[in-house]
Order: sequence, then C-alpha cells, then structure tokens
Amino acid sequence: EAGVAQSPRYKIIEKRQSVAFWCNPISGHATLYWYQQILGQGPKLLIQFQNNGVVDDSQLPKDRFSAERLKGVDSTLKIQPAKLEDSAVYLCASSLRGISYGYTFGSGTRLTVV
Amino acid sequence: DAKTTQPTSMDCAEGRAANLPCNHSTISGNEYVYWYRQIHSQGPQYIIHGLKNNETNEMASLIITEDRKSSTLILPHATLRDTAVYYCIVPGLRNSGGSNYKLTFGKGTLLTVNP
Repeated sequence: EAGVAQSPRYKIIEKRQSVAFWCNPISGHATLYWYQQILGQGPKLLIQFQNNGVVDDSQLPKDRFSAERLKGVDSTLKIQPAKLEDSAVYLCASSLRGISYGYTFGSGTRLTVV
Repeated sequence: DAKTTQPTSMDCAEGRAANLPCNHSTISGNEYVYWYRQIHSQGPQYIIHGLKNNETNEMASLIITEDRKSSTLILPHATLRDTAVYYCIVPGLRNSGGSNYKLTFGKGTLLTVNP
C-alpha cells in the first residue's frame, strides 16, 4: 500500500511569514495526526482528527497554528505568523482505527524559520 | 500515562543481538507497551506491542517481565540499518471516546550498530 505522503519536504521562511504543510494519509485510514519534532526531542502531538472532526488539539498553539481535514482525507497544517521556535520537522501520521492498529508516519516536512 | 525510562544511547555490534531496556514501573494491569523506532530523516516506524505475554514478529521480540514493570526489545541479529532512535511508549488506558489514547514520545534510546 502507498504510504503517508507529505509535502513539501523542506521549507525555509522568514519569521512572521506564513507556511502550510500538506498530508495525504493512507487510503481508508480514519485517524490522522500531526506531530511536531524539534531537533533532539521525540515527536510531540499537535492535533488528532477522526475522519474530518478534531478529537484532540490541546497542544496546538491556536494563536498561530491551524489545521483542517476536509472530507476526512487530506489535511493541511498552517502556521501564521511563524516564529523562530517553530523550526522543526512536522510529521503526519495516519491509522486505521487508532493506536492498536499502529500509526504509519510520513517522512515529514523540515521547516526552518530564519 | 505510565512514565517510561530508557537509556539515552546504546551500542551494538553488527550481527549480534541488540537488547533495549525500558522501565515502566507505574504501568497498570491493562496498559499496553508499544515500541517504535525512528531512522534518521524518516518518520517513526511501528515495531511491536504487547500486554503481558512475550511477543515476536518479523522485526523483533518483546519480553515483558512478569510484574510488567519493565520490558526489553530484542533485535536478534542487528544490522547497520537498525541504527535508529527506539521509543518505548505506554499510552495509558483508553477512555470511552478514545481521545486520550495516543502515542506520546519521550527521547528514546539511540541505538548505534557498529560494523
């Protein structure tokens, strides 16, 4: 089966600019997750979708981050405006029915804010 | 969530077994233990999970102690491609909606397989 697709692979922006990341999960996977991974740390969950509804966004900095999953398939994560501390790898993962079936991660988008 | 403790780093010789320990002394009776790994510049990859009994799949074996306070992930014949950060995760108990049941990553163990 095709994996989780993410784009772009790399992005460099200046602080205060906006940026968007795209994720296409594995076909049929109802659950989608966005994680942020800062260099040297483990991934941190930002938001979890079940179909097109948000299940958990408690760690999403909502003043600058937003995410949507239209039609319960593709998802976009946006940062507006970006700060230097947003420099990280943004990982998307999907799962058939949640944790018990394993998560499949994409390769991520590496964001550098200068 | 049960807190896990893993060594920061470990080395292993190629072809030998790699044994990665994880301490989860506060785990409760119905909580599973999950292992993922992350190879450089890739997303994390599921390896194995277990509750009480030892588990084995094509990638690894998971040995959980009888008191369930610790576990060991075993890569029987480590190769250079097994060099990665290995994460031991105990997600807790699932609530009725399942919203709390998700992977929370620590810093993991960097396993370096040497030629």
